[in-house]
Amino acid sequence: NAGVMQNPRHLVRRRGQEARLRCSPMKGHSHVYWYRQLPEEGLKFMVYLQKENIIDESGMPKERFSAEFPKEGPSILRIQQVVRGDSAAYFCASSPYAAGEQYFGPGTRLTVT
Amino acid sequence: GQQVMQIPQYQHVQEGEDFTTYCNSSTTLSNIQWYKQRPGGHPVFLIQLVKSGEVKKQKRLTFQFGEAKKNSSLHITATQTTDVGTYFCAGEVAGANSKLTFGKGITLSVRP
Repeated sequence: NAGVMQNPRHLVRRRGQEARLRCSPMKGHSHVYWYRQLPEEGLKFMVYLQKENIIDESGMPKERFSAEFPKEGPSILRIQQVVRGDSAAYFCASSPYAAGEQYFGPGTRLTVT
Repeated sequence: GQQVMQIPQYQHVQEGEDFTTYCNSSTTLSNIQWYKQRPGGHPVFLIQLVKSGEVKKQKRLTFQFGEAKKNSSLHITATQTTDVGTYFCAGEVAGANSKLTFGKGITLSVRP
């Protein structure tokens, strides 16, 4: 059973460009969470999705950021018009049930130049 | 909003020493989870505690959930260099859409 997959692992974008981060949850997991981590900081919750539905997006900035988890295919975190402050590691985690243990992907390290 | 606190942020121990760290929540939790992240890696699930006063052991690691379900501890017996990393606790508040709130973590370094 493959673990949570994220791609790309590293992404470099210029200010103003769009960043698309993909996450394929573990097989059988329908709960997906996105987190952001700055160097030497904790994990900041961004959004929680359950197949086609956004359950909680309280941690996601209201502008420029969006997330989806379609019926088919990976979950996508989209950042429009990136700024330098968006540079961070973005982790996706999946869980087999609500409030269950979360399995993290390797992360996407976004650098905005 | 709900806060999960881990203090201090860093701790250094000599290999072979015991290590204990604590996690405190401002609100009562449905469950608490612990994760470990190695430098440059991703968080890895260690344990979940659900019941008041629950104690679970994994080899040299002992996890405890407080009686009031507002705090938790992680104790490592006889630390080894392989214990190096950042340990996060994460709590779920009942009715909070099953969202976990992570503490900032404690980074453990072990001197050989």
